[in-house]
Amino acid sequence: EAGVTQSPTHLIKTRGQQVTLRCSPISGHTSVYWYQQALGLGLQFLLWYDEGEERNRGNFPPRFSGRQFPNYSSELNVNALELEDSALYLCASTSSTGAGYTFGSGTRLTVV
Amino acid sequence: KQEVTQIPAALSVPEGENLVLNCSFTDSAIYNLQWFRQDPGKGLTSLLLIQSSQREQTSGRLNASLDKSSGRSTLYIAASQPGDSATYLCAVSLFTGGGADGLTFGKGTHLIIQP
Repeated sequence: EAGVTQSPTHLIKTRGQQVTLRCSPISGHTSVYWYQQALGLGLQFLLWYDEGEERNRGNFPPRFSGRQFPNYSSELNVNALELEDSALYLCASTSSTGAGYTFGSGTRLTVV
Repeated sequence: KQEVTQIPAALSVPEGENLVLNCSFTDSAIYNLQWFRQDPGKGLTSLLLIQSSQREQTSGRLNASLDKSSGRSTLYIAASQPGDSATYLCAVSLFTGGGADGLTFGKGTHLIIQP
């Protein structure tokens, strides 16, 4: 069974640009979560998508957004990039059976 | 608001030692608790999942216990090896099948096993 897949693995962007990160959940998982892990900080909850809808968002500005597609894959979009957006972005999926969360390998975003 | 605390923040021990990592949470109404391992710059690897109705789970040299009433979990690593060096994260979920903000994480224990 394929795990959670994230792409790209690394990105370098310039301040003010826009970026899109992608996540494919485990087959059968309908919920996708996005987390930000800045250097030296803990994991911060960004967004939760389930059945194609945004269900909850963390304490992040509106320039962080995303969507979930009918096949349950998800995109995270960040507009007007700032230096402090440099972080590891992790995607996780889970199912309604409560079998725990599975994480992808993450996307390392560097804003210069 | 659920808060998760992990003690110690860092630990360095010689190879072969048995060790215990601690996790505590403020709201005992959890659905399950998961222990993860994170290597530098990498994603999270799930080690053990304990449902709220369970007391412990074992996988190889790892054993995790859960005392929901006291809001505590421990991860026991037997016969530690240099390959065990990583950051260990404890996370709790309040809801079945996701919900709210998913998992609430502790800040982790950075473990170094000296050869």
